[in-house]
Amino acid sequence: QKEVEQDPGPLSVPEGAIVSLNCTYSNSAFQYFMWYRQYSRKGPELLMYTYSSGNKEDGRFTAQVDKSSKYISLFIRDSQPSDSATYLCAMSFDSNYQLIWGAGTKLIIKP
Amino acid sequence: DGGITQSPKYLFRKEGQNVTLSCEQNLNHDAMYWYRQDPGQGLRLIYYSQIVNDFQKGDIAEGYSVSREKKESFPLTVTSAQKNPTAFYLCASSISGETQYFGPGTRLLVL
Repeated sequence: QKEVEQDPGPLSVPEGAIVSLNCTYSNSAFQYFMWYRQYSRKGPELLMYTYSSGNKEDGRFTAQVDKSSKYISLFIRDSQPSDSATYLCAMSFDSNYQLIWGAGTKLIIKP
Repeated sequence: DGGITQSPKYLFRKEGQNVTLSCEQNLNHDAMYWYRQDPGQGLRLIYYSQIVNDFQKGDIAEGYSVSREKKESFPLTVTSAQKNPTAFYLCASSISGETQYFGPGTRLLVL
C-alpha cells in the first residue's frame, strides 16, 4: 500500500462545474498538506498549502484536510478550461525536508 | 525575478554517456531537490541537499550523482549506470521542507 493514494483519472467535467479532487494517506503523523498544479511538460506550481486540519480558501480553490479520516480534498468552483492540468497532492511530517507525493489526477475541463 | 532555472530544456544521451542537468536558484533557499517523473506517474525523489556540501540519497539514487558546491546550484549527473534514463527531470528548492518551488524541467531522451 502506498503512503499516499490518488486516483490518476482522467476526470472530465464540463466548464462551470464544481470539481472535487482527493487524496488518502496512511500515516497519521503528516502535518503539512499541499496541492500542486502541473500543466503538460511544465514544472509543478504550488496551489494550496495547509497545516494540520481544517479548510483554506483562495479564490475559486478550497483545500480541506480531515486528519481523522486521513483524507484531503481540493475543490475548484466555476471550473475553467484553463484549470485543465494534473493536480498532485503532497504531504510532509513536522521538520522534515521530504515531501511524500500522490501520483496526480489528470483533470480535463470541457468548454 | 526570483526563480529556479533548469537547462537544457531537452537533452539527448547516447548509450554509455554521462550527461549533466543544470539547476540554479536565486531564491536564497537552503534546500534543493531532484525528482524524476515518468509518464502518468508522480514524482520520485533522486537526491536532496539541505545545505552546501551536503546531500542525501532519495528513493531512486542509483545511477545518478549530484554536487552542492554553491548554495545556488545543484547539478545532477545521469551516469551510464542508469539504464532507463528517459524521463522528465525536475529540480526544486525550499526554505524549509514544507513547500517546494519547482523549475521548468528537463526532458531527457536516449538516442
